[in-house]
Amino acid sequence: QQPVQSPQAVILREGEDAVINCSSSKALYSVHWYRQKHGEAPVFLMILLKGGEQKGHDKISASFNEKKQQSSLYLTASQLSYSGTYFCGTYTNAGKSTFGDGTTLTVKP
Amino acid sequence: NAGVTQTPKFRVLKTGQSMTLLCAQDMNHEYMYWYRQDPGMGLRLIHYSVGEGTTAKGEVPDGYNVSRLKKQNFLLGLESAAPSQTSVYFCASSYGWNTEAFFGQGTRLTVV
Repeated sequence: QQPVQSPQAVILREGEDAVINCSSSKALYSVHWYRQKHGEAPVFLMILLKGGEQKGHDKISASFNEKKQQSSLYLTASQLSYSGTYFCGTYTNAGKSTFGDGTTLTVKP
Repeated sequence: NAGVTQTPKFRVLKTGQSMTLLCAQDMNHEYMYWYRQDPGMGLRLIHYSVGEGTTAKGEVPDGYNVSRLKKQNFLLGLESAAPSQTSVYFCASSYGWNTEAFFGQGTRLTVV
């Protein structure tokens, strides 16, 4: 069963912040985050492991709440280059992995 | 370093035709995957492989077959193409389960 991402789409001005959520009904071992620009392949951002710490990648960070089976991606002081579709991929304790349907982020000047 | 290479990049098929998509990786990864991505949707796992000579079904395997005869190559076959198989197909590879996946540039397939 695939994770649910919210919101489906968000529009920001440069410098604004955004939060993208990823929720699962299954017990999760880890959450992966990828970004895909239009017409391109998805690119890996980070992995959040069960019991691990919050990760960061430049001004993009993420957290993983094991009790809620939820991960959040935080984009701080957004830049034009942050535009794209963000996907979470969840890995369960049973070894299954699935992707959410994505959140489209548009950053405007 | 090429990473993950998919061929072809574009293809148009008539209903009922067959074709094979090739994925090649030069990172010595054990795991390889085939996904399809429909407009506005996420990636759906078709088949995957955890090593040379192995294959397993993913979420949406019907109508597709795969083979992994060599560690660096993962082939996806469509025996009798249907319009519902019109999609963008991505191949990916990873060192292990639950590690960073590297994606190819995708194959845009249209079945008419």
